[in-house]
Amino acid sequence: AQSVTQLGSHVSVSEGALVLLRCNYSSSVPPYLFWYVQYPNQGLQLLLKYTSAATLVKGINGFEAEFKKSETSFHLTKPSAHMSDAAEYFCAVSPNTGTASKLTFGTGTRLQVTL
Amino acid sequence: GAGVSQSPSNKVTEKGKDVELRCDPISGHTALYWYRQSLGQGLEFLIYFQGNSAPDKSGLPSDRFSAERTGGSVSTLTIQRTQQEDSAVYLCASSSTYRDTGELFFGEGSRLTVL
Repeated sequence: AQSVTQLGSHVSVSEGALVLLRCNYSSSVPPYLFWYVQYPNQGLQLLLKYTSAATLVKGINGFEAEFKKSETSFHLTKPSAHMSDAAEYFCAVSPNTGTASKLTFGTGTRLQVTL
Repeated sequence: GAGVSQSPSNKVTEKGKDVELRCDPISGHTALYWYRQSLGQGLEFLIYFQGNSAPDKSGLPSDRFSAERTGGSVSTLTIQRTQQEDSAVYLCASSSTYRDTGELFFGEGSRLTVL
């Protein structure tokens, strides 16, 4: 069984400040890990994914995440927040089985960016 | 089409009525997923199709919910005798099992409101 926990349902940062959204996972098999972003009234869009290659993963819009097995974490960061980053962010996990399988999502973190 | 298409985008119905939600996945994607997104609940897995069969329907909340997929393409999620707690955004996603890395491509969702 797999699960993800996102700490903080709401995060507020100033424009230009560091963004840190936390995700911890639980998985009995080597996982694939994902961050998705959802802008208002839109579907989910993939930001980045970890598929057992490099532990530091770079995604779109300047976001990156680091897979830390010892901490079972996959936190999302961006050095400098922009107003356009305001959205809801979801961490997700699936088993690394080489075949399609469902993603298990966290409850999401809403990011607010203020001037 | 280029992306996952869902219809209707919005549906308002009265308690006790049946509703059908449609999903048209990305051409060639053999895996199709339904998720439900409720306020404060994150994304809840409902059912997963591989081709026309459903290996995992563990997330369907009750026997009022059913889904089918025909021709390995379009899927319909049916909710019978709708209840107010069924109000949510129903998201469909698809993925390719060929060289799969677990990434899902989402539609924009069908927002269901049960009065």
